[in-house]
Amino acid sequence: GEDVEQSLFLSVREGDSSVINCTYTDSSSTYLYWYKQEPGAGLQLLTYIFSNMDMKQDQRLTVLLNKKDKHLSLRIADTQTGDSAIYFCAEGAGSYQLTFGKGTKLSVIP
Amino acid sequence: DADVTQTPRNRITKTGKRIMLECSQTKGHDRMYWYRQDPGLGLQLIYYSFDVKDINKGEISDGYSVSRQAQAKFSLSLESAIPNQTALYFCATSGTVDNEQFFGPGTRLTVL
Repeated sequence: GEDVEQSLFLSVREGDSSVINCTYTDSSSTYLYWYKQEPGAGLQLLTYIFSNMDMKQDQRLTVLLNKKDKHLSLRIADTQTGDSAIYFCAEGAGSYQLTFGKGTKLSVIP
Repeated sequence: DADVTQTPRNRITKTGKRIMLECSQTKGHDRMYWYRQDPGLGLQLIYYSFDVKDINKGEISDGYSVSRQAQAKFSLSLESAIPNQTALYFCATSGTVDNEQFFGPGTRLTVL
């Protein structure tokens, strides 16, 4: 079945770049998503990339997709303390269901 | 106002009790979902519904049931709660184009 893997923790210093990595197994994935979960809150969509793209940039966020290796990354430039959260990678094959990774907890050190 | 709301936000109950968690949405979406989140385990899909007459089991439906009372309402029931159902429960909705899912704020359920 589908599987989405990501590391559980990442610590960075304020002002540095953060890179959160994700691998997935479903080659039929149509969309790949990054969600952010702040403490005590639900998940909010940060950005998504269509599978025929290899890069998407949105202000401080850059998503890179290597479809051959089934590898997705989220880069946050100039990381701020407000970026501290859990980040979930998810993949969807255009059907009803998204498969989520277990989430990467990003801690930003002032 | 929030597009996806969940009630209650927190609930403590005892083993064997019946519990209902409610979800309402104003996004006009046909698709609604219930997930469970446990620390370190990500999100697991419990049930999903494509429309009022279409309800499907997800990965972990045992011990749960759902009701889609209207397009805007999707409730999750635990018929006889047990301690390992202690978790954070999320409702979500999506349209039919890119399957972006919009999440509610979550319900923290504790079963003693």
